Formats: sequence, structure tokens, C-alpha cells
Amino acid sequence: GESVGLHLPTLSVQEGDNSIINCAYSNSASDYFIWYKQESGKGPQFIIDIRSNMDKRQGQRVTVLLNKTVKHLSLQIAATQPGDSAVYFCAENMANTGKLIFGQGTTLQVKP
Amino acid sequence: NAGVMQNPRHLVRRRGQEARLRCSPMKGHSHVYWYRQLPEEGLKFMVYLQKENIIDESGMPKERFSAEFPKEGPSILRIQQVVRGDSAAYFCASSPPQGSYGYTFGSGTRLTVV
Repeated sequence: GESVGLHLPTLSVQEGDNSIINCAYSNSASDYFIWYKQESGKGPQFIIDIRSNMDKRQGQRVTVLLNKTVKHLSLQIAATQPGDSAVYFCAENMANTGKLIFGQGTTLQVKP
Repeated sequence: NAGVMQNPRHLVRRRGQEARLRCSPMKGHSHVYWYRQLPEEGLKFMVYLQKENIIDESGMPKERFSAEFPKEGPSILRIQQVVRGDSAAYFCASSPPQGSYGYTFGSGTRLTVV
């Protein structure tokens, strides 16, 4: 079964607010984590990644936090925009095996 | 620099027919991965290939499904004698020789079995 799961299936936020999407994983051997954005009818698009030797990584408007103690991953999106509306997936990889394990996804809805 | 190219984008097959899905990796990428996505679900790993080699096929159904990545040409995911339950989006990804870092997905093939 899946070892990666998301706490909330749908997140609705106001344009301009910050968004936080959460993810739990169960495989303590996983050493690489990725967040993907998927828009309707398209393939997953890489947002940001983090390796297990880090606990925080920042990109443009996005931050990923990794808490290995409780096996929790989160994606923070600052100043959420309508174009951020999509399904967001976290994925984990164990020791560069090549195989990614995906969570079920969180739908982010941005209200104007 | 073209990304991962998949074709066809949409494929309709009748039950019992064969489906062939193609994937051309990004230039310089030598690893190819296939994933399946059912509606409202996450992606599920199927198979991991390098040129002329299957590295991990732990996610492939035991029957009717096969994959190859020949020395020349695209990777092919082949589904024989399709059934309605095979209807899904099939995504291909590729990565550089160092493995899963730098994974890039294609736009997928949406297979509908009627």
C-alpha cells in the first residue's frame, strides 16, 4: 500500500493568503522528497524537492519543510495566486531507487 | 530542449484490443519510468527501465502488461487485451544517469477502453 498520504483532500484559500499543504510518510528509509503540481489534463510538474539531510528548503514563493521525527512534509505557498489552483502531490524516494511513491493529492482552490 | 514526449495524448481502444503507448525521454536522460494514474488518485509506479534493461517492474501487473526501452527509439508500454479497468492516464518520466534526481514527467497518455 501507499506509504505517503495527505491530511486534507481539498484546501480552499483566499487569493493573497498563504497556503500550507501537508503530507505524512511512513518509510523512514526515504531520503528524498518532492512536491509536484498537477493541473487538469497535464502531467506532474516539479515544484521543489528536499533531501533528508535538510529540514527546510526555499524556492520562489514556496518553502518545503521536512520533519523526520514525525515523518511529516509540508509545502508552503506564499501569496497564493489563482494560477496556483491545482492538485498537489508529495512523493518520496528511497535511496535513489528510482521509484517514487506518491500520496493521493490535495486539491488547492484559490478564491479571488 | 524538448521535454519528455508522450504519444498519443489520447487513445481509445475497444475491449480486447492492444494499446501501445510511447515515451521519448528528455535529451541526455537514460532512465525511463512509467506510472499509472486513476481518476482522483495519485500516480502509481509501474516500471523503471534503462536502455535495453528492465531495472524494476514491481508495479507492473503480472499479465497483459509489458514495457521496453530499446537501444534505438522510444520506450513502449504495451497493454494486451485491454479491459475497462485499464482506463487511466499513463505517465512517463525520465531522469539523468544519476537516477531519480531531476525526474521530469511527460504530459501523459489518456487511455479509454470502451
